[in-house]
Order: sequence, then structure tokens, then C-alpha cells
Amino acid sequence: NAGVTQTPKFRILKIGQSMTLQCTQDMNHNYMYWYRQDPGMGLKLIYYSVGAGITDKGEVPNGYNVSRSTTEDFPLRLELAAPSQTSVYFCASSYMTGGYNSPLHFGNGTRLTVT
Amino acid sequence: AQSVTQPDIHITVSEGASLELRCNYSYGATPYLFWYVQSPGQGLQLLLKYFSGDTLVQGIKGFEAEFKRSQSSFNLRKPSVHWSDAAEYFCAVMDTGRRALTFGSGTRLQVQP
Repeated sequence: NAGVTQTPKFRILKIGQSMTLQCTQDMNHNYMYWYRQDPGMGLKLIYYSVGAGITDKGEVPNGYNVSRSTTEDFPLRLELAAPSQTSVYFCASSYMTGGYNSPLHFGNGTRLTVT
Repeated sequence: AQSVTQPDIHITVSEGASLELRCNYSYGATPYLFWYVQSPGQGLQLLLKYFSGDTLVQGIKGFEAEFKRSQSSFNLRKPSVHWSDAAEYFCAVMDTGRRALTFGSGTRLQVQP
């Protein structure tokens, strides 16, 4: 059972470079999410998706882009990396139907440093 | 907008001692509440959740939490802590508009032998 898989685990970028953080899930979940975790700040929602072809902004979307062409994959794109984007990034998924009590399942994270 | 406050940034307890981690939420309607645990270098694992019914919720690894509407609290408890419980603990509330979780800032638990 792979669950939510994120790649890479670690990455160092120079200012202005771009990269894509990959996320895939094998649980046929309709909802997928990207969070960033900064020390002492908890997790902040960057973007989320309610299904293939549908994405929306979270609390902190600036500097990021996403796409959802399939149910399984939800990549996060950084176009012009800035030091403020140094963080740990978590992808999550959930199967949401009519209620609100479905938990989110998290990947193990990508640690990104921008210098 | 909903929010979650975890007042304690860092807690240290002795192995075998009891534990209570505090969580206060701000939400207009009936909240859907969750506790997650994060071990170093790992993702978040669900401990338990509350959405209705009995206000005392049992979770995995011997944890429980009590929902108190009058105090807007959802505190996590464990009767006897084990060294393997050392981790960071996050309380979260469901944003029913986005169907995404809003997290508190976390409490880091250290366990002394």
C-alpha cells in the first residue's frame, strides 16, 4: 500500500530556479492538497483540488502553481524560487463525499531549501 | 474563518506520566476536529477525530480526546506516556467550505526516561 508518494525527498534550489514537486496517490481519492510547514507555524494550505481538472487556491498560493490532469497526480510548480519558499512541503489526499469527517492522508514530505 | 490554537509550544513529561495537550478552536458551527502526530522526518498520522456523538473519542496508540463545546476545546490525553510518543502533535479543524484542514501550530512532546 503506497498511499501518498512525494518526490523528491530533498532539494536545494538557487534563487530564480524552477522545479516541480511530484505527488501521486493510489487510493482513488477525489480531493488532494498541498501544504507547507514552517517551524512553529503549523501547516498552511497552498492549493487544493476537488477532482481531476479542478483546482483552487488555499491560504498561501502566491509563487506556486498546480495542475490536476488525473485523479492520481497533483504536482506543485515553483516558477521563480525565492528564499521565502524554503520549507517542508506536504501533499495529502482524502475521499470526500457528503460529510466532512474524512481524514487527510499525508505523504512524507519534500524538504526544499532555496539559497 | 476558523482557527486553531495550541497554547503549548513544547512539553516535557517523564515516561509513565500522564499527558494532556491543549487545543482550542474557533468555529461558528459544529466543528469537525482532528489530532495528528508527526514523528521526525515523517508525514502526519491521524490519531483520532471527532464530528458528533460521544464527546470522548478514542484513538490509536492509547490516545483519547475530549470535546468540550462550552470551552471550545479538544484536548488530547494519554494516561501513561511511552518514550516512543516523543513527536510533534497537531490539532486541526475541518474548513467545510474547502474541505481542507486548518492546523494549529503544533506542540512538541519530549519524553524523559
